[in-house]
Amino acid sequence: DGGITQSPKYLFRKEGQNVTLSCEQNLNHDAMYWYRQDPGQGLRLIYYSQIVNDFQKGDIAEGYSVSREKKESFPLTVTSAQKNPTAFYLCASSIAPSGAGAEAFFGQGTRLTVV
Amino acid sequence: GNSVTQMEGPVTLSEEAFLTINCTYTATGYPSLFWYVQYPGEGLQLLLKATKADDKGSNKGFEATYRKETTSFHLEKGSVQVSDSAVYFCALRSGGYQKVTFGTGTKLQVIP
Repeated sequence: DGGITQSPKYLFRKEGQNVTLSCEQNLNHDAMYWYRQDPGQGLRLIYYSQIVNDFQKGDIAEGYSVSREKKESFPLTVTSAQKNPTAFYLCASSIAPSGAGAEAFFGQGTRLTVV
Repeated sequence: GNSVTQMEGPVTLSEEAFLTINCTYTATGYPSLFWYVQYPGEGLQLLLKATKADDKGSNKGFEATYRKETTSFHLEKGSVQVSDSAVYFCALRSGGYQKVTFGTGTKLQVIP
């Protein structure tokens, strides 16, 4: 079955540590996205990538980094510079950006907690 | 820039009641509009969409009509069920790089 997989579902991190969240898709989508979800604030875009080896900052990129070495993979690293990293992180993908009506497909999310 | 405004929740309804969740938007050009649903602890799933003015999206008894004149995309359902309890997000997609902009979400709780 085609889909988008995030792992792990729950992640705990000590303050000052970097941590990497995995996102893999087998939908053959060109575009991939990372969102952060906090209670009462909806989804905020962290980074997005329209094509392999290219990515752009979203609205809240500070303290995060990404890579896009393969079409199917878009890992997100939460660095120690991120001041408030505890949140629910959602990865999404969609077909090429030229399709305005194309919806985004979401993974099941990773809940990161800093302890 | 683009923005989406949804009615604040939570919305609490009795089973079989009529549901309306308001959504208005600001966007350049002609955006596509979406409603997503999120069940507890899960990612978002597409509920319905509309890509041009006067289009009506529908799915699982939910409907929303793209109203360009009022820049709205209100979600409706004639008779809600307990299983409809979730958070609903209105979203739009437009612009050169097709970024999706989400509203803050509206939590719906349906009681038996």
